[in-house]
Amino acid sequence: DTEVTQTPKHLVMGMTNKKSLKCEQHMGHRAMYWYKQKAKKPPELMFVYSYEKLSINESVPSRFSPECPNSSLLNLHLHALQPEDSALYLCASSQDLLGAETQYFGPGTRLLVL
Amino acid sequence: GDSVTQMEGPVTLSEEAFLTINCTYTATGYPSLFWYVQYPGEGLQLLLKATKADDKGSNKGFEATYRKETTSFHLEKGSVQVSDSAVYFCALSDRVNRDDKIIFGKGTRLHILP
Repeated sequence: DTEVTQTPKHLVMGMTNKKSLKCEQHMGHRAMYWYKQKAKKPPELMFVYSYEKLSINESVPSRFSPECPNSSLLNLHLHALQPEDSALYLCASSQDLLGAETQYFGPGTRLLVL
Repeated sequence: GDSVTQMEGPVTLSEEAFLTINCTYTATGYPSLFWYVQYPGEGLQLLLKATKADDKGSNKGFEATYRKETTSFHLEKGSVQVSDSAVYFCALSDRVNRDDKIIFGKGTRLHILP
């Protein structure tokens, strides 16, 4: 089973709202990732967690706040977003952070900020 | 730094045509190479991968061979179907540098006409 699940599938929020995206995997993977993908572009890395600790933050604005409550779950908390933050948010996981690992992606959450 | 270059799209073919999508890479270490596919409105799916030189990845009729001498990983399929219409991303993950990031190409949009 190589499934990564994400909820919700779609989200519409105002600039003053607080919302959260959720990602879950049950493959025993110890690395999890958040990506942002704009239309007709490849995914852009936002955050990497390894063994539930933040390993990489690609200079993401503080209005995006990741959280890894346990090895299977990854959240992305959203607050005071801007319309330009509208995008597809993808979660991924891999066995470990040893380099050259295969990343498995979820279906994504399509976010619209009004 | 590492990079991936793939042919620009869109590529339009008739059903049952032969498909080639070119991909070349530059890497300082010993990368693993991947093709991901993104169907309309969905997340990324791993299509195939190869972890060392001369390896051939294959899945769903698609094939790609890791060619170190030409630093290439071209995607091929002998007879495409309408259902293959999607965006295809070539990607690498570098092992020696223990780089935890996937480097994506810009993506190639494929349209298959019935």
